[in-house]
Amino acid sequence: AQSVTQPDIHITVSEGASLELRCNYSYGATPYLFWYVQSPGQGLQLLLKYFSGDTLVQGIKGFEAEFKRSQSSFNLRKPSVHWSDAAEYFCAVGVGDYKLSFGAGTTVTVRA
Amino acid sequence: GAGVSQTPSNKVTEKGKYVELRCDPISGHTALYWYRQSLGQGPEFLIYFQGTGAADDSGLPNDRFFAVRPEGSVSTLKIQRTERGDSAVYLCASSPAVGDWETQYFGPGTRLLVL
Repeated sequence: AQSVTQPDIHITVSEGASLELRCNYSYGATPYLFWYVQSPGQGLQLLLKYFSGDTLVQGIKGFEAEFKRSQSSFNLRKPSVHWSDAAEYFCAVGVGDYKLSFGAGTTVTVRA
Repeated sequence: GAGVSQTPSNKVTEKGKYVELRCDPISGHTALYWYRQSLGQGPEFLIYFQGTGAADDSGLPNDRFFAVRPEGSVSTLKIQRTERGDSAVYLCASSPAVGDWETQYFGPGTRLLVL
């Protein structure tokens, strides 16, 4: 069965520092992979996705993620975080043509 | 244009009561999804509609949960005989068509608390 693991429940980072959020997946076929962000009171917003091709994908808000098949990972990165990046981040794998299977999420706190 | 809207934003009910949660998708979107997000967890798939029909309801936890989309637009998630374990945020999403992964737009959710 497909599953997504986000090993870090909570990460605290200083404003201006780099950020990396880990995501590992378990899926039999070629995965469709996503990163979403959820701010308080807001709906989930898609940051980026990987379907095929270039394993380094660029997203919105300055985020990027790298797909590594050998490590079953799809880690999210941002070179320099802003206070507005404080939120909860979810990695997800696409199942079939419509279903998303999410990880438990990583909460990011940004300190001044 | 408006995004996906969900009402109510918060719902408090007593154990054993019946509740209805409403989702208004983006106009013209034919696919609609319900997810449930328990505290400290990621969203879990409940049901997916293509048009008026439920194409996949495999995520509904038991027969107390039911969802409809009679005219292919607004959807209602219905929970009978609510239990404390039903407390969660219920998320709705819509997309123009099935398989449009990148255009699955989420609403803000309905936070349900069962006392």
